[in-house]
Amino acid sequence: QQQVKQSPQSLIVQKGGISIINCAYENTAFDYFPWYQQFPGKGPALLIAIRPDVSEKKEGRFTISFNKSAKQFSLHIMDSQPGDSATYFCAASITNAGGTSYGKLTFGQGTILTVHP
Amino acid sequence: EPEVTQTPSHQVTQMGQEVILRCVPISNHLYFYWYRQILGQKVEFLVSFYNNEISEKSEIFDDQFSVERPDGSNFTLKIRSTKLEDSAMYFCASRRRGLNTEAFFGQGTRLTVV
Repeated sequence: QQQVKQSPQSLIVQKGGISIINCAYENTAFDYFPWYQQFPGKGPALLIAIRPDVSEKKEGRFTISFNKSAKQFSLHIMDSQPGDSATYFCAASITNAGGTSYGKLTFGQGTILTVHP
Repeated sequence: EPEVTQTPSHQVTQMGQEVILRCVPISNHLYFYWYRQILGQKVEFLVSFYNNEISEKSEIFDDQFSVERPDGSNFTLKIRSTKLEDSAMYFCASRRRGLNTEAFFGQGTRLTVV
């Protein structure tokens, strides 16, 4: 029940295209959903995050769509660029655990995005 | 920009040896974490540390693992007797107080057990 399932495992898009990565979760106690970007040899870095009280959040070319009833959320990368080529992880966290937020992140399996020039 | 620093970047050790992975979290952060990533797999939570004690740990974090914040700046992960399956990238992360505050990750230590 703590799992976060992510798809696809890998994704190839052309420069300028739209990249879409999907995640699903089971635990309805999750209330914070970040996306992390990881380049080879580096640690994950926060890209964008959403709480379940909104259905969409946009930051530049990156948009999270959130469907609370379906327990799914997705990352859309508009106008994908070769520099976006990286591994993307969705994650989920419970931030209201009895008023104490320890912030443990449960990650999806990751999506390797390759954007061809 | 402040960052989480991990040392060493790569550690090779013999099976059964003890290793200590070191992290310097961002200075005003209060929550500290260790995660690991086996090659090609997802990032997995190991342990969280707050107020000088473990606040949560996963089933991976057995008696072979321990964490310590010995001097108020460093945060260490010790593996007492390494096994081949401990080979992974280990990430330290830290976060300041507050709901939904960002977890900042270090660049990782690649541990290879031979």
